[in-house]
Amino acid sequence: DAGVIQSPRHEVTEMGQEVTLRCKPISGHDYLFWYRQTMMRGLELLIYFNNNVPIDDSGMPEDRFSAKMPNASFSTLKIQPSEPRDSAVYFCASRGSDRGHETQYFGPGTRLLVL
Amino acid sequence: SQQGEEDPQALSIQEGENATMNCSYKTSINNLQWYRQNSGRGLVHLILIRSNEREKHSGRLRVTLDTSKKSSSLLITASRAADTASYFCATDAWGSEKLVFGKGTKLTVNP
Repeated sequence: DAGVIQSPRHEVTEMGQEVTLRCKPISGHDYLFWYRQTMMRGLELLIYFNNNVPIDDSGMPEDRFSAKMPNASFSTLKIQPSEPRDSAVYFCASRGSDRGHETQYFGPGTRLLVL
Repeated sequence: SQQGEEDPQALSIQEGENATMNCSYKTSINNLQWYRQNSGRGLVHLILIRSNEREKHSGRLRVTLDTSKKSSSLLITASRAADTASYFCATDAWGSEKLVFGKGTKLTVNP
């Protein structure tokens, strides 16, 4: 398996623009997580899905952020409109559902810079 | 919050020495995991220890868990320059799939 795939790897955009981050989880994994990492706040969980259904979005900072998982192999995190304070590295991770599968597998991340 | 807190924030050692990192958390947990992050990369799982376990080994890694003190330690023996990375502990509560990560310990192993 290729692991968790994220695109793009780097994104530079201007304030006010829409940003869409993409993630392909590991095949067969039931859970998908979106995280944001900054120096100030560390690694924060934004939202996670189970079987394509959003379970907990309490970490989504505000209405400008939205996430979808239309099928088991694809998820998007959208920021509209983007702001400079959204600059961070965004990670997607996936895991299985059985006991013994609590390990999360992280993608390489998308480094977002909003000017 | 059950967020883990690693200690120290940064650690610099010579190749061949042992590195010990500590993690404290606030609430009861189901599992505690340690992850490594190389600069500019995603996190990679190292080891998981369950709440009913006290010690676990994996290669040069040794993890201990003291649930009475709500703390864990990660020991890397005979460190190598390639061990240079940030190390994070992550905890999950019973019935929750969410992992809460600490801020990490930045380890530098000098050749």
